[in-house]
Amino acid sequence: SQQGEEDPQALSIQEGENATMNCSYKTSINNLQWYRQNSGRGLVHLILIRSNEREKHSGRLRVTLDTSKKSSSLLITASRAADTASYFCAKREYGNKLVFGAGTILRVKS
Amino acid sequence: SQTIHQWPATLVQPVGSPLSLECTVEGTSNPNLYWYRQAAGRGLQLLFYSVGIGQISSEVPQNLSASRPQDRQFILSSKKLLLSDSGFYLCAWSVRGETNPFSPLHFGNGTRLTVT
Repeated sequence: SQQGEEDPQALSIQEGENATMNCSYKTSINNLQWYRQNSGRGLVHLILIRSNEREKHSGRLRVTLDTSKKSSSLLITASRAADTASYFCAKREYGNKLVFGAGTILRVKS
Repeated sequence: SQTIHQWPATLVQPVGSPLSLECTVEGTSNPNLYWYRQAAGRGLQLLFYSVGIGQISSEVPQNLSASRPQDRQFILSSKKLLLSDSGFYLCAWSVRGETNPFSPLHFGNGTRLTVT
């Protein structure tokens, strides 16, 4: 089952604009993680936010978490063409499993 | 530093043939190991995970099996491939343990399997 569901499914923006992707989940979480996947490659971990945190920053990335709404968002500021990739949220479940959503395909046009 | 190797990068196999995909991790001990499958344009489906040698948990009943003969080696196998087994297979590792739920996954570069 997929516990993290991202929207939009696809996003196309101009270089320099901000990109916002959202993730919803259904059950309680210990933490929520965001990953990036370049076409035809493995996933790369971007950022993790714990259930007792509301916001976290890493460079041009900003992640928020609203446990009351069971949702998270990933903001990429001042996007670059190199940010073009698929972005996935993943929820840490009991038993060492990380469950991924379907992802958002981001295209940044230069 | 830790590295994860996954091979082959691409594979084309006929229906009914066997499969063996291998994944090895270097630079860490006692990792949790995972096999995921990704259909074209879709999210990741967890197939198997392992917390130790010989310990395999299967998430989805299917035509595949996994084995962990050594601490840092994880193998995905099939005796007879189906067309529906086509996809992008990803191996990943994380620091072991219930005590470390904040450990991210580190992925290999995947194997693109096409069953014809």
